[in-house]
Parts: sequence; structure tokens; C-alpha cells
Amino acid sequence: DADVTQTPRNRITKTGKRIMLECSQTKGHDRMYWYRQDPGLGLRLIYYSFDVKDINKGEISDGYSVSRQAQAKFSLSLESAIPNQTALYFCATSDWTGGRNGELFFGEGSRLTVL
Amino acid sequence: GEDVEQSLFLSVREGDSSVINCTYTDSSSTYLYWYKQEPGAGLQLLTYIFSNMDMKQDQRLTVLLNKKDKHLSLRIADTQTGDSAIYFCAETSSGYSTLTFGKGTMLLVSP
Repeated sequence: DADVTQTPRNRITKTGKRIMLECSQTKGHDRMYWYRQDPGLGLRLIYYSFDVKDINKGEISDGYSVSRQAQAKFSLSLESAIPNQTALYFCATSDWTGGRNGELFFGEGSRLTVL
Repeated sequence: GEDVEQSLFLSVREGDSSVINCTYTDSSSTYLYWYKQEPGAGLQLLTYIFSNMDMKQDQRLTVLLNKKDKHLSLRIADTQTGDSAIYFCAETSSGYSTLTFGKGTMLLVSP
């Protein structure tokens, strides 16, 4: 089983719908992140959490919200999806105390299409 | 905010060396990373270098860091078709908070 699991892997939805992307990890890491990948724009940070009680906005948080339900679970919500939120979304984790400081472990991605 | 820049595309022939370049603006960058993304997959760490190092070699990979010019490069020796992927440069500052990624360089290796 993958260390970082994202569900769903693919989702097509309509403008205005509420969407939740879920992420769970078995690495025991405290830090979790949501990134968005768009062609030619690279990875951009949406939200991150350093522990269960900590939530921080990233570079592009507008239109998104997150919930850290447990150390292992971090979900991303789009309250009212719009077409320019069509993208590939990645969840990642890291362990600050690890030997490779800052190394991120990524899920396989959730491809979201908003029509 | 801090910025990381990379060229978007590189094409090489199998067996040649590939050099992917990256520039960054954060003078307090502590760790610099190269991640690889294969088609349909998430990113995986390839290698990293601490800012007090000039060079790091790991099998076919050589990372060069010019801290004065804020320039990082990744050299892949004897490039194979399996090396075709998107390569991301990333950095983190002394605060160890989050990573800033470049836009990624797509490496295409032709037989």
C-alpha cells in the first residue's frame, strides 16, 4: 500500500458543486501539505499543517479550505468549484526531524476537472 | 515571495549527459532539492544538497551549487530513456517551513 493515499484519483464535477479531496498517510509524519499542479506553472502550495491543531495558508488558498482530522488525515475542500480550479492536486507529508530535512513524500495525485 | 526559476524543456539523446539548471532568489536557502516526476505519478526526491556544499555526487547524478550566483544544476550522466520525466528544483529557507518549487523542466530522452 502507498504511504500517502489520495482519494478520489479522478473527479469530474460541475461549476458550483462542493468537492472534497482526501489524503491519508501511514508515514507517521506531523506535517502535511496540499499542492496544485498546472502545466507550465509547476507546484503551488495551497495549505499546510504542521500538526493537528495547526493550519496555514499557502500561496493560493483563495477558494479552498482544509481540515486536519487527525495526524494521518488532511482533506482539501472546494466549497463552490469553478473551472479554473481544474488541476492536478497533490498531498504531501514531511518529517521535520528526518535525516533529509524537508523531504516531501507525495501521493499519486487527484485529477479534478470542473466543467 | 521567494522565486525559483527553471527552463521548461530539455531534449537530449540517449547516452548523452543532461544538465538542468535552476536559479533561486532566497539568500537564506538552506537545503536545495531535485525532485523527479514520472508520467502519472507524484514527485519523488532525487537528491538534495546542503547550502554549505559546492557539489554532491550520487551515482549518475551530480549536483553543483553556486551560492554566490544562487545557481543550482543537476547533471545526469549517460542519460537513459527512463530518465524522461519532469525535474523540479526546490528550496527551503533556514526556517524549515515549506518548500518553494520551480516550474519544472521536462526532460525528453530520445533513442
